[in-house]
Amino acid sequence: DIQMTQFPPSLSASVGDRVSITCRASQSIGTYLHWYQQKPGKAPKLLIYASSNLQSGVPARFSGSGSGTDFTLTISNLQPEDCATYYCQLTYTTPCSFGQGTKLEIK
Amino acid sequence: EMQLVQSAAEVKKPGESLRISCKGSGHRFSTSWITWVRQLPGKGLEWMGRIDTSDSVTQYSPSFEGHVRLLVDKSNTTAYMQWGSLKASDTAMYFCAVETLYYGVDVWGQGTTVIVSS
Repeated sequence: DIQMTQFPPSLSASVGDRVSITCRASQSIGTYLHWYQQKPGKAPKLLIYASSNLQSGVPARFSGSGSGTDFTLTISNLQPEDCATYYCQLTYTTPCSFGQGTKLEIK
Repeated sequence: EMQLVQSAAEVKKPGESLRISCKGSGHRFSTSWITWVRQLPGKGLEWMGRIDTSDSVTQYSPSFEGHVRLLVDKSNTTAYMQWGSLKASDTAMYFCAVETLYYGVDVWGQGTTVIVSS
């Protein structure tokens, strides 16, 4: 199985800041890496697919990059509604594991 | 646009069986992978397995294989996950979702809460 390591586990930042979250795969997964946002009591929401493609309706302050084993989600101009937990997921092979999650707090 | 509607919350006793459902609407259901994801209380997302709705081929995470079974009824555009014998550690929220290699999981059900308690 391919292991996903996501960090940091938590993050605190202010409105207007730029933050980055990283996922590292234990072996190359091409660009089959996706990012989700989850708010308490809700289903996750797709933000970025195939490493760097913005899902329809998602604000352009979200961006993704990377290929192979290292991937980054960047949120620019942080807004209060970005307070959530963020997950990465691989779909290169099964099991299509998720990262451990990053809880983002807005100061 | 495809939507997934999951069955209502369940409260069961250890050792009981259970089947939860995921009703799809929209043309994508018949050619999709329906994936199931577990979320333990206060914890992260765990990929459990998926079923190809076109031919019922299943793929399971080793962590869940043998404990749950994935099924699909194409005529009713409904996917199911069933347990033969529940444990207290199965208490969780379960999501069904549509997953593709390139687009990831772009459609999610609202989740079904399962509580297993004596």
